[in-house]
Amino acid sequence: KQEVTQIPAALSVPEGENLVLNCSFTDSAIYNLQWFRQDPGKGLTSLLLIQSSQREQTSGRLNASLDKSSGRSTLYIAASQPGDSATYLCAVHQGGSEKLVFGKGTKLTVNP
Amino acid sequence: KAGVTQTPRYLIKTRGQQVTLSCSPISGHRSVSWYQQTPGQGLQFLFEYFSETQRNKGNFPGRFSGRQFSNSRSEMNVSTLELGDSALYLCASRSSQGLNTEAFFGQGTRLTVV
Repeated sequence: KQEVTQIPAALSVPEGENLVLNCSFTDSAIYNLQWFRQDPGKGLTSLLLIQSSQREQTSGRLNASLDKSSGRSTLYIAASQPGDSATYLCAVHQGGSEKLVFGKGTKLTVNP
Repeated sequence: KAGVTQTPRYLIKTRGQQVTLSCSPISGHRSVSWYQQTPGQGLQFLFEYFSETQRNKGNFPGRFSGRQFSNSRSEMNVSTLELGDSALYLCASRSSQGLNTEAFFGQGTRLTVV
């Protein structure tokens, strides 16, 4: 059974700092991995999708990496801003269905 | 291009009642999946539909059911509501049943059972 873990559960940083969020998964037989952002009481906003054959994806100040063999992904946020404050979730797309398996998320607070 | 639309945004129901939630996927998307989000369990998969067929179902009791219409809109129904069904219900759409496509989520329906 696939399990996804995100560490840390919460992170507080000063504005302007670069930071890394971690995601690990137990079964390396994935099709892709997706990072999402969730603001309080809202839905999920897709940030980056990494296919299993890819090593990394970049979008603006965000860079996500994937090491499928070790079951790890990282989300790097450069020059953090207060507007980046949210919960960040990673999810792996397990083979055989449309099912996404989610981690519990990392709650990020960027202080002005 | 409109995103995934879920209605209603908020619902308050009484134990024992039933409820129907609606999800309209992104135009052209044929795959719809539903998830339940609670503080304790996080996001859990309910079921997925593609071309009006349920392809996969999560580990939820039979009180949870769904369907998909020919226009790809989907509904989920919860009968005999329990307090523990209080949650944010999210639906996601994909462009096809292709396994490499990005999932897009709606804003969710916040269900409170009292």
